[in-house]
Amino acid sequence: NAGVMQNPRHLVRRRGQEARLRCSPMKGHSHVYWYRQLPEEGLKFMVYLQKENIIDESGMPKERFSAEFPKEGPSILRIQQVVRGDSAAYFCASSTDGTPLSNSPLHFGNGTRLTVT
Amino acid sequence: GIQVEQSPPDLILQEGANSTLRCNFSDSVNNLQWFHQNPWGQLINLFYIPSGTKQNGRLSATTVATERYSLLYISSSQTTDSGVYFCAVLNTGGFKTIFGAGTRLFVKA
Repeated sequence: NAGVMQNPRHLVRRRGQEARLRCSPMKGHSHVYWYRQLPEEGLKFMVYLQKENIIDESGMPKERFSAEFPKEGPSILRIQQVVRGDSAAYFCASSTDGTPLSNSPLHFGNGTRLTVT
Repeated sequence: GIQVEQSPPDLILQEGANSTLRCNFSDSVNNLQWFHQNPWGQLINLFYIPSGTKQNGRLSATTVATERYSLLYISSSQTTDSGVYFCAVLNTGGFKTIFGAGTRLFVKA
């Protein structure tokens, strides 16, 4: 049973370009979460999605960042017009159930390391 | 929102030593997980432990939900235990799992 798959593993973008990060959840998981980790820091929640729905995007910057989880295909985290401060590791996690009363653990992918030059 | 505090922030051990890492949280939780982030950046699930005690080899964890803390025990530490240990909680009624700042562990040979 494959785990959470993220690609690319490493991504280099010049300032002003777009970055697209992909996440395929574990089989049977319909809840996806994106986290950002700046160097030497902890993981910060960005957004929680179910298929075709954004449930909680309270951690997402208001501009340039967007996320989707379409009915078919992986979840995509999109960063437009990247700046140097966007350089970080972006982790995706999935779970079977994301409701407030859930008791299903998060499973993380290996992350995408974004470097903005 | 819920606050998650981990201690100590940094820890240096001699190989073979034991240690206890602590996670305090400010509100009731449905889920609590411990992760190890290895030097390559991978996040490894250690325990899913909203309450009670679990053991896995040299590692064990205890969560006392009523007192809002969890402990991770590492016995007979090895150099491969080095990395950052994160506690992550989902508070009751919430949708997002919040991470503590982590404990950075270095085990010397």
